[in-house]
Amino acid sequence: DQQVKQNSPSLSVQEGRISILNCDYTNSMFDYFLWYKKYPAEGPTFLISISSIKDKNEDGRFTVFLNKSAKHLSLHIVPSQPGDSAVYFCAVRGGGGADGLTFGKGTHLIIQP
Amino acid sequence: KAGVTQTPRYLIKTRGQQVTLSCSPISGHRSVSWYQQTPGQGLQFLFEYFSETQRNKGNFPGRFSGRQFSNSRSEMNVSTLELGDSALYLCASSLRGQGLNTEAFFGQGTRLTVV
Repeated sequence: DQQVKQNSPSLSVQEGRISILNCDYTNSMFDYFLWYKKYPAEGPTFLISISSIKDKNEDGRFTVFLNKSAKHLSLHIVPSQPGDSAVYFCAVRGGGGADGLTFGKGTHLIIQP
Repeated sequence: KAGVTQTPRYLIKTRGQQVTLSCSPISGHRSVSWYQQTPGQGLQFLFEYFSETQRNKGNFPGRFSGRQFSNSRSEMNVSTLELGDSALYLCASSLRGQGLNTEAFFGQGTRLTVV
């Protein structure tokens, strides 16, 4: 059973508008949440993260929101740019000091001019 | 500062063979994790090494193994290859010590094709 779900395999957004990518998780023990971006033939690139003690973290055009009661994570990109077209993975890390990340299956974001 | 380096980038092997993949983490990073990416399953965690010790392991058969050297470089080995092992294998390094939360930086991966 998937512990991390990204229910939208793809998302198309017009350039300049806001892109909202969503992620749901099942285990309330997860304490650290990350978003990665991946271009074809490259490894994932870290974007932004948030600890479970916060509900929002912002870095430039990227903002991550965490709703612990709903076990829901979202990434907002505003304004969306053509270079943002990529696959976005959310990932979670459990408590206890281990480094293994559990990833969602990704959402392919397409920014249309 | 150099990023995570994985070698080789591409590899073709036949069923039944074994393969070794290499990963050099970012200088100063002591944690190395390995992931398998396939179209159907997405990114799946294989195992993590910290200071030459396997600290965490995903749900993969014993044919998948790894090790880490004193300079933090890591190798991953897959024995008795199966067609289903064809995937992109990604290595990630992080500075993280026990109880710390830092992001993981990924290499470009090794594309393994089993024929």
